[in-house]
Amino acid sequence: NAGVMQNPRHLVRRRGQEARLRCSPMKGHSHVYWYRQLPEEGLKFMVYLQKENIIDESGMPKERFSAEFPKEGPSILRIQQVVRGDSAAYFCASSPQEGRGYTFGSGTRLTVV
Amino acid sequence: SQQGEEDPQALSIQEGENATMNCSYKTSINNLQWYRQNSGRGLVHLILIRSNEREKHSGRLRVTLDTSKKSSSLLITASRAADTASYFCAIETSGSRLTFGEGTQLTVNP
Repeated sequence: NAGVMQNPRHLVRRRGQEARLRCSPMKGHSHVYWYRQLPEEGLKFMVYLQKENIIDESGMPKERFSAEFPKEGPSILRIQQVVRGDSAAYFCASSPQEGRGYTFGSGTRLTVV
Repeated sequence: SQQGEEDPQALSIQEGENATMNCSYKTSINNLQWYRQNSGRGLVHLILIRSNEREKHSGRLRVTLDTSKKSSSLLITASRAADTASYFCAIETSGSRLTFGEGTQLTVNP
């Protein structure tokens, strides 16, 4: 069981470019969560998805950010027209169902230059 | 804010001593979880305590939960240099998402 796989581990983008972060949940997990961690801070919830559905996106900025979890393939967090303030570590977690334990990936560290 | 808040922000102890970190929150919870994060790395799940539980042990870890005071503590006994990390509490409320605190930075000096 490979755990939650995130790629890339590190991503450098210039201001105005697009960033795509991928998350493959653990086998058998149908719930995916994205969190953002700014330097020296805790994790902040962004979005909760199940297959083909966004369940809770209350933590997601209204503009430039989108997430999907298609029927096939990984979950994608997409940031359009990145700005310096988007630089952070983005973590994905998965769980088999609500109220069960979460497994986190190792994160993608986005640097906007 | 629903988020868990850890106390202290930073803790420095000698190897072999015990480390206690506290977490307070403001809302009803399904469970409370503790995670560890080494610098620049991902989160490692340490322990989950449900709202109807008061105490839980896992190796050198002991977690308590007082729902009347909306607080939890994490005790690491006989600390080791390898325990140096940031420790986060996270509360799970209905709706499944986790809300994290800002963390306690623990330094264990050899």
